[in-house]
Amino acid sequence: EPEVTQTPSHQVTQMGQEVILRCVPISNHLYFYWYRQILGQKVEFLVSFYNNEISEKSEIFDDQFSVERPDGSNFTLKIRSTKLEDSAMYFCASREQGLTTGELFFGEGSRLTVL
Amino acid sequence: GENVEQHPSTLSVQEGDSAVIKCTYSDSASNYFPWYKQELGKGPQLIIDIRSNVGEKKDQRIAVTLNKTAKHFSLHITETQPEDSAVYFCAPTDSWGKLQFGAGTQVVVTP
Repeated sequence: EPEVTQTPSHQVTQMGQEVILRCVPISNHLYFYWYRQILGQKVEFLVSFYNNEISEKSEIFDDQFSVERPDGSNFTLKIRSTKLEDSAMYFCASREQGLTTGELFFGEGSRLTVL
Repeated sequence: GENVEQHPSTLSVQEGDSAVIKCTYSDSASNYFPWYKQELGKGPQLIIDIRSNVGEKKDQRIAVTLNKTAKHFSLHITETQPEDSAVYFCAPTDSWGKLQFGAGTQVVVTP
């Protein structure tokens, strides 16, 4: 069964460092998302991406965050200068081509710990 | 923006009993209503969904009911089993496909 894969599964970084989280969405999907989940809290929307551009972003997704699809398979989330409050589980998700609603497939997540 | 409320926050049931979780949303533009299950250390996984033109949908032991007028939808799990223990999230979705997750319900099924 096709799945969304994310790397790394866990990253520990020092405050102020740059972090890149990587995702490989399901191959025929064209809508991509990043969500985050602070420990014990709900899953929060960060950004949606379609046709090589951001289609929507939340208030959380400030200038420190960026997304990129550098090639035909990877979808990355970059945090330029990490803060303690960026510590969370980050989930990548993708949706099938041609559907604006419908099942969102999530990866297993990348846990980011900022010290 | 969408305001999503989910109740209860925790639910403890005896194996074999039923569990019901309710989700209330505010955005009348929401037209797709999924429920996600999240097991420890894993990403959310879709378990059932319903679209705005349908009032109820059932898949084996799981059902979802939608009241679009009142802006709420509910997850029903019958004959609960220990493997149903997880956190469940409702995620009403707008026409652009953006999910807004509820706060989650921790379901514990005790043998």
